[in-house]
Amino acid sequence: KNEVEQSPQNLTAQEGEFITINCSYSVGISALHWLQQHPGGGIVSLFMLSSGKKKHGRLIATINIQEKHSSLHITASHPRDSAVYICAVSGGGADGLTFGKGTHLIIQP
Amino acid sequence: NAGVTQTPKFRVLKTGQSMTLLCAQDMNHEYMYWYRQDPGMGLRLIHYSVGEGTTAKGEVPDGYNVSRLKKQNFLLGLESAAPSQTSVYFCASRTFGPGNTIYFGEGSWLTVV
Repeated sequence: KNEVEQSPQNLTAQEGEFITINCSYSVGISALHWLQQHPGGGIVSLFMLSSGKKKHGRLIATINIQEKHSSLHITASHPRDSAVYICAVSGGGADGLTFGKGTHLIIQP
Repeated sequence: NAGVTQTPKFRVLKTGQSMTLLCAQDMNHEYMYWYRQDPGMGLRLIHYSVGEGTTAKGEVPDGYNVSRLKKQNFLLGLESAAPSQTSVYFCASRTFGPGNTIYFGEGSWLTVV
């Protein structure tokens, strides 16, 4: 079973700061997902990566397959970015994802 | 396009009662999943389905049953609810293949007293 570790567990930053959330996993994967969950809300997929780097607006996700590590970056952070960010990995089968415990991010104005 | 819809959103049950959570997706996805989310833990897979008429156990299947009689619907049943089943339940779906985006429902908050 893949073990997915995220760091930090909690992060509080000031508006405008550059944010980095890390994810490491123990076993080779076919894809890694970054998800966002707002308080009391549903879960939204931000990125799905199998290699390299992806960018969407102020969000950037990178993955290093050899090191079994991924990072999610937020540039020019804003209070609306406050949420739980979850890393999840897929082994390629149909049996769903293995999730990290999430990083609780708070951006203060 | 509604995506993935879960009903009900909130429910309070007494120990021993039964209930069914309904998940419906309108994206013609083959794969559907039921997860539970508990404080301090990552989402855990309860059951999943790779197509109409098929289901399989996930990581934490005990106390739950599922059915997928129609491709668009995936039902999660609790036959005799226990306080340990107090949780937030998420349904998810995706199309065939490992590299496809997964879509989640809004969640169902279940409390068993």
